[in-house]
Amino acid sequence: KAGVTQTPRYLIKTRGQQVTLSCSPISGHRSVSWYQQTPGQGLQFLFEYFSETQRNKGNFPGRFSGRQFSNSRSEMNVSTLELGDSALYLCASSLRTSGPGEQYFGPGTRLTVT
Amino acid sequence: AQKITQTQPGMFVQEKEAVTLDCTYDTSDQSYGLFWYKQPSSGEMIFLIYQGSYDEQNATEGRYSLNFQKARKSANLVISASQLGDSAMYFCAMREGKTVNTGFQKLVFGTGTRLLVSP
Repeated sequence: KAGVTQTPRYLIKTRGQQVTLSCSPISGHRSVSWYQQTPGQGLQFLFEYFSETQRNKGNFPGRFSGRQFSNSRSEMNVSTLELGDSALYLCASSLRTSGPGEQYFGPGTRLTVT
Repeated sequence: AQKITQTQPGMFVQEKEAVTLDCTYDTSDQSYGLFWYKQPSSGEMIFLIYQGSYDEQNATEGRYSLNFQKARKSANLVISASQLGDSAMYFCAMREGKTVNTGFQKLVFGTGTRLLVSP
């Protein structure tokens, strides 16, 4: 079974631009969560999508948004990029409807804002 | 609010020895799940082991076991017979809610412990 895939793997953007990151979950997983990892703040929850609906949201400004498609693929968008948005963005999928609900992570997208 | 504390920034262990990585947590919820993840230098988070708050037995997965002491709010990871490939960052995480259907999928992570296994 293929794992979680994220594209692109690396991205360099300029302040003020916007960016869209993509995540394809493990087949059969309908929950997709996004996390931001930085050296200063560690791993922080951004939001979770299940059945095309945002179910949970972390403490991030409105510049961070996302969506989920009917095939469970998810995209995350960051508008008006700031230097502090430079981070590793991790996507995770899980079987939300049964079991302990462990989340399986993708390799991440490393975003650098200059 | 939930909080995970990992007090060991770095740990060193020799190959084939056992090592314990500490994790304490704080939550007011009676139902929660505890997870350990491994993050190699490549960046991907690898799920290792899970412990539910109502599980009476400590979880085990191969060389990984979780020493769960509910009264002390600790969930230490024990790696037996360390291997060179175990060198990585290790994160303890918590999710509130007994089952995934409670509505919460948010994981709260600790700051991590960097494990270095030497030959």
